[in-house]
Amino acid sequence: GEDVEQSLFLSVREGDSSVINCTYTDSSSTYLYWYKQEPGAGLQLLTYIFSNMDMKQDQRLTVLLNKKDKHLSLRIADTQTGDSAIYFCAEGGSGGYNKLIFGAGTRLAVHP
Amino acid sequence: NAGVTQTPKFQVLKTGQSMTLQCAQDMNHEYMSWYRQDPGMGLRLIHYSVGAGITDQGEVPNGYNVSRSTTEDFPLRLLSAAPSQTSVYFCASRRDRGVREAFFGQGTRLTVV
Repeated sequence: GEDVEQSLFLSVREGDSSVINCTYTDSSSTYLYWYKQEPGAGLQLLTYIFSNMDMKQDQRLTVLLNKKDKHLSLRIADTQTGDSAIYFCAEGGSGGYNKLIFGAGTRLAVHP
Repeated sequence: NAGVTQTPKFQVLKTGQSMTLQCAQDMNHEYMSWYRQDPGMGLRLIHYSVGAGITDQGEVPNGYNVSRSTTEDFPLRLLSAAPSQTSVYFCASRRDRGVREAFFGQGTRLTVV
């Protein structure tokens, strides 16, 4: 079945780059997403990439997609304390509804 | 613009009690869904709906019922609460095509004792 995996925790120093990795299983996914969850809040879409792209850049965010290896990454340049949150990778699964399948989330901790 | 509104924000239930978690959206989205979030497990899909009058089961539907009588509302019912249903519940809605950005409510933290 569909599955999305990501590491659970990442700690970086303020000003460094953060790289959050994700692997997925459904090769038919049309879109792959990164969502951000701040404490006590719901998830918000951070960025997404269409499956026929291999890179997308949006200000401090860079998404890399390796479709052959089913590997997705999110790079945050110049990481700030406000970036501390849980980051969820999600794939638009196969099927008529195109369910969103989420990974377990990576908790990013930014320290001075 | 309210987006997706969930009520209540917090709830404590005794085992065997029933309750309904409310979800409403004002964006005229066709697709709505309920997820539960548990530590280390991410979000798991409980039930979803692709339009008024149409619902289907997700990954973990047991113990939950849903209905979709209007486009705006998608309540989640727990008929007989169990401690295993202690979780944070999120309702989400999205358009039916294109980039499938899901808009999430603030969540309901449910504790079953």
